[in-house]
Amino acid sequence: GENVEQHPSTLSVQEGDSAVIKCTYSDSASNYFPWYKQELGKRPQLIIDIRSNVGEKKDQRIAVTLNKTAKHFSLHITETQPEDSAVYFCAASIYNNNDMRFGAGTRLTVKP
Amino acid sequence: KAGVTQTPRYLIKTRGQQVTLSCSPISGHRSVSWYQQTPGQGLQFLFEYFSETQRNKGNFPGRFSGRQFSNSRSEMNVSTLELGDSALYLCASSSGNDYEQYFGPGTRLTVT
Repeated sequence: GENVEQHPSTLSVQEGDSAVIKCTYSDSASNYFPWYKQELGKRPQLIIDIRSNVGEKKDQRIAVTLNKTAKHFSLHITETQPEDSAVYFCAASIYNNNDMRFGAGTRLTVKP
Repeated sequence: KAGVTQTPRYLIKTRGQQVTLSCSPISGHRSVSWYQQTPGQGLQFLFEYFSETQRNKGNFPGRFSGRQFSNSRSEMNVSTLELGDSALYLCASSSGNDYEQYFGPGTRLTVT
């Protein structure tokens, strides 16, 4: 089955700096890679996703890149703000198969 | 549209008891997936229901079961509760024909 690894487990940056979180996956059949943000005591929220037919996707300060050959994808947050502080999860799944496998999470802290 | 709802939000049970959790998906969504979230194991896929049928299943023992009704609402049942079943149980709703999954607020289960 699919195995998703996520690094780093914790990340601390200064406000305004960039943050990068990296994930690798094992199943070459995976073709959908979402990122979720979970604030303390709240539900995971989908913040951006990428499908395997695209190499990069951007939404304001957030971008995701995908390297299918190397089986890794990354989340990039630019101009970080204190409200970006949360746990971020990457995941991988196959279209129409909602067995989504998650990484272990990255706790991002943005210091004002 | 109303979001994904889960009831109850909090539950305390004792070992050996059974519990039933409920999830109402976004209107029009036909797929409900269940996940267990714990500090040690992270987010783990339990199973997915689509059009009242279990479509995918994770690696959990048979004590964990579920079902889905004709209105797409889903229930999850855990029998013979163990201390290790203490977790946040999240359900996620999707159309069933698309990629994105949207999470409910979760049910926090504590087994004593």
